[in-house]
Amino acid sequence: GENVEQHPSTLSVQEGDSAVIKCTYSDSASNYFPWYKQELGKGPQLIIDIRSNVGEKKDQRIAVTLNKTAKHFSLHITETQPEDSAVYFCAAVVNNNDMRFGAGTRLTVKP
Amino acid sequence: GAVVSQHPSWVICKSGTSVKIECRSLDFQATTMFWYRQFPKQSLMLMATSNEGSKATYEQGVEKDKFLINHASLTLSTLTVTSAHPEDSSFYICSAPYASGTQYFGPGTRLTVL
Repeated sequence: GENVEQHPSTLSVQEGDSAVIKCTYSDSASNYFPWYKQELGKGPQLIIDIRSNVGEKKDQRIAVTLNKTAKHFSLHITETQPEDSAVYFCAAVVNNNDMRFGAGTRLTVKP
Repeated sequence: GAVVSQHPSWVICKSGTSVKIECRSLDFQATTMFWYRQFPKQSLMLMATSNEGSKATYEQGVEKDKFLINHASLTLSTLTVTSAHPEDSSFYICSAPYASGTQYFGPGTRLTVL
């Protein structure tokens, strides 16, 4: 089955700096890659996603890149703010419903 | 985005009792819903796939007789933890696919078994 690896497990940046989280996947059939932000005690919230027919997608301060050949995708957050502090999960989806998560990255943005 | 609700948001129960958690898709229909379990500082682990009108599909290692799932309608799935024990204490989260793989999650239910 699909195996998703996520790095780093923790990331601390200064407010205003950029943050990058990287994920790799194993199943070449994966065709959808969402990113979720989870705050303490809450459910994950979808923040951005990308499909396998696109190499990059941007939404304001958040961008995601996908390299299908290398089977890796990354989340980029620019101009980080303290409210960006949370746990971020990447995921890879096969056949629309089979979603596997990475282990998560705890991002801390220091004011 | 689509909205998924869960009820209750937290529950405390005595060991040996059963607890039911509801997951609802509020503004869309979902023939499939997913149940996850999350321990502190860990990722989400898929427990089972809930299918409307048919039996749930459980992940390996998840006891189907302990975690009963019922998908009674296109907007409601329930997870019942039967004969709960302290080791069942966890954060339970459901999700529902809205369109072409886009899954929306509920706010989660914190279960504490004394």
